[in-house]
Amino acid sequence: DTAVSQTPKYLVTQMGNDKSIKCEQNLGHDTMYWYKQDSKKFLKIMFSYNNKELIINETVPNRFSPKSPDKAHLNLHINSLELGDSAVYFCASSGTDRLWGYTFGSGTRLTVV
Amino acid sequence: QQQVKQSPQSLIVQKGGISIINCAYENTAFDYFPWYQQFPGKGPALLIAIRPDVSEKKEGRFTISFNKSAKQFSLHIMDSQPGDSATYFCAANRGATNKLIFGTGTLLAVQP
Repeated sequence: DTAVSQTPKYLVTQMGNDKSIKCEQNLGHDTMYWYKQDSKKFLKIMFSYNNKELIINETVPNRFSPKSPDKAHLNLHINSLELGDSAVYFCASSGTDRLWGYTFGSGTRLTVV
Repeated sequence: QQQVKQSPQSLIVQKGGISIINCAYENTAFDYFPWYQQFPGKGPALLIAIRPDVSEKKEGRFTISFNKSAKQFSLHIMDSQPGDSATYFCAANRGATNKLIFGTGTLLAVQP
């Protein structure tokens, strides 16, 4: 029973298209995140939601729009995809005790051609 | 601006040896320092974490050493095994925002 699941796992699309990535967690966590991992493996936070409320919005192009319909789901919609958006996008969730850390999904590898 | 600096970028260790990865941070407000392990095609997974009120934490073969005055912390993997081959990330955050800032990662290869 996957704790944090993301779909799709792979996404290949052309420049200019719009795409969405979905994330669901069954851990009962209140906080969910989107991280971007670039080709050099660097992990950078994009957004964070706590109980459906946006609490972190890093310097991300406004082509990226997160949506959290409930605290178990966090989706990421990307408009007008660019070559530089190619990366692995990770969803994660965390509970109230930081010592338990974040639980990450397996990632969505987005390739823009 | 890299708030958490990690070294080395890559590391090759013989089976049974000790792997050491170092991190340094700038922000003295950070109060939580985890290490994550990532295998290819998987998301990072929490390995071990420490708060700055202790200088060392050990879990099995994995130990975090923490030097608050130097603003440095390190991961030691004792008796390294080929199954430990992965990318390791240090991280830090503070308080209520819970935004984890990751280091740049270390690719560890343990040779049999």
